[in-house]
Amino acid sequence: DIQMTQSPSSLSASVGDRVTITCRASQSVNIHLNWYQQKPGKAPNLLIYHASSLQSGVPSRFSGSGSGTDFALTISSLQPEDFADYYCQQSHSTPHTFGQGTKLEIK
Amino acid sequence: QVQLVQSGAEVKKPGSSVKVSCKASGGTFSSYTISWVRQAPGQGLEWMGRIIPIIGITKYAQKFQGRVTITADKSTTTAYMDLSSLTSEDTAVYYCARGDGRFDPWGQGTLVTVSS
Repeated sequence: DIQMTQSPSSLSASVGDRVTITCRASQSVNIHLNWYQQKPGKAPNLLIYHASSLQSGVPSRFSGSGSGTDFALTISSLQPEDFADYYCQQSHSTPHTFGQGTKLEIK
Repeated sequence: QVQLVQSGAEVKKPGSSVKVSCKASGGTFSSYTISWVRQAPGQGLEWMGRIIPIIGITKYAQKFQGRVTITADKSTTTAYMDLSSLTSEDTAVYYCARGDGRFDPWGQGTLVTVSS
């Protein structure tokens, strides 16, 4: 199985900050990497697919980059509604594994 | 716009089985894949398997092989996930989602509690 490792596990930031979450795969997944946001008690929501493609309806302050084994999710200017958990997930091969998550909290 | 609505919460005894449903509306049910992902309390996300309803082909994570069965009823546009030999470690929220790899949208989730 491909292992996905996110960092940091938690992050404190303020409204308006620029933040970056990284994700590393244990082997190359090409660009088959997706990012999700999850709020408490809710299902995950797809933000980014194919490493850098913005899902329809997702604000443009979210962006993704990377290929191979190293990826990043950047939020250019944090809004109050962005404080949530974030997960990367590889869709290169089954089982489709997720990172352990990053908790983004208000400073 | 595809919407997925799941069945309600379940409480099960160890050793028993649970069957969770996922009803799809909008889109063409047979043309897309339905996957199942679970999340234990306070934990991350774990892919369990998927079905392609139009041909009924399934694929399961090795971890769940032999314990999970995913089916789909095209006439009612409903997918099902059946998990057997439950233990306390199966206590989790179970989600269905459209897609095989890229998951969108998701159902609202079904909490399955395994307790004696």
